[in-house]
Amino acid sequence: KAGVTQTPRYLIKTRGQQVTLSCSPISGHRSVSWYQQTPGQGLQFLFEYFSETQRNKGNFPGRFSGRQFSNSRSEMNVSTLELGDSALYLCASSPPSYEQYFGPGTRLTVT
Amino acid sequence: TQLLEQSPQFLSIQEGENLTVYCNSSSVFSSLQWYRQEPGEGPVLLVTVVTGGEVKKLKRLTFQFGDARKDSSLHITAAQPGDTGLYLCAGAGGNTGKLIFGQGTTLQVKP
Repeated sequence: KAGVTQTPRYLIKTRGQQVTLSCSPISGHRSVSWYQQTPGQGLQFLFEYFSETQRNKGNFPGRFSGRQFSNSRSEMNVSTLELGDSALYLCASSPPSYEQYFGPGTRLTVT
Repeated sequence: TQLLEQSPQFLSIQEGENLTVYCNSSSVFSSLQWYRQEPGEGPVLLVTVVTGGEVKKLKRLTFQFGDARKDSSLHITAAQPGDTGLYLCAGAGGNTGKLIFGQGTTLQVKP
């Protein structure tokens, strides 16, 4: 099976802009989770989608949002970017279990 | 708040040495996972342990789940440079319904 794919791999944006990241899960996986990873905070959970519905949410401001499509592909959006949003954004899909299969991530740099 | 504490945070050793990484919590988890992440990539699932006291081996890596399912350890025998990376533990099945990640242990194995 093909693994989780994320696009784009690298992105540079300026403060105040918005960004949309895309994730295609492993075929057959209906759950998609998003994480933010920074050197200082580690891996932090953003949200989880299952069958197009947000099933769980982390402690991030409303500027961070996501959605899932009927084919399980997911997007996350960050509006009004801040310097502190610079991070590696990871998407993970999972079968009916807690095991996460991660994509390679999108490296977002906000200048 | 459920927390998983990993120790040590950083470890730099010579090739051939043994090491142990610990993952501790005051919460009980139904299962615990270990991941390894290499620079520029997403974490890769190494193992899932589900039964208190369970021991799983993956070549030179030995994983153990504590009897009370609150802690876990990862032991690497005769470490090799290819073992270099960030090791993350993650607990599942707590009262939040989310997967809780530890802060990670950065391992450097020098040739």
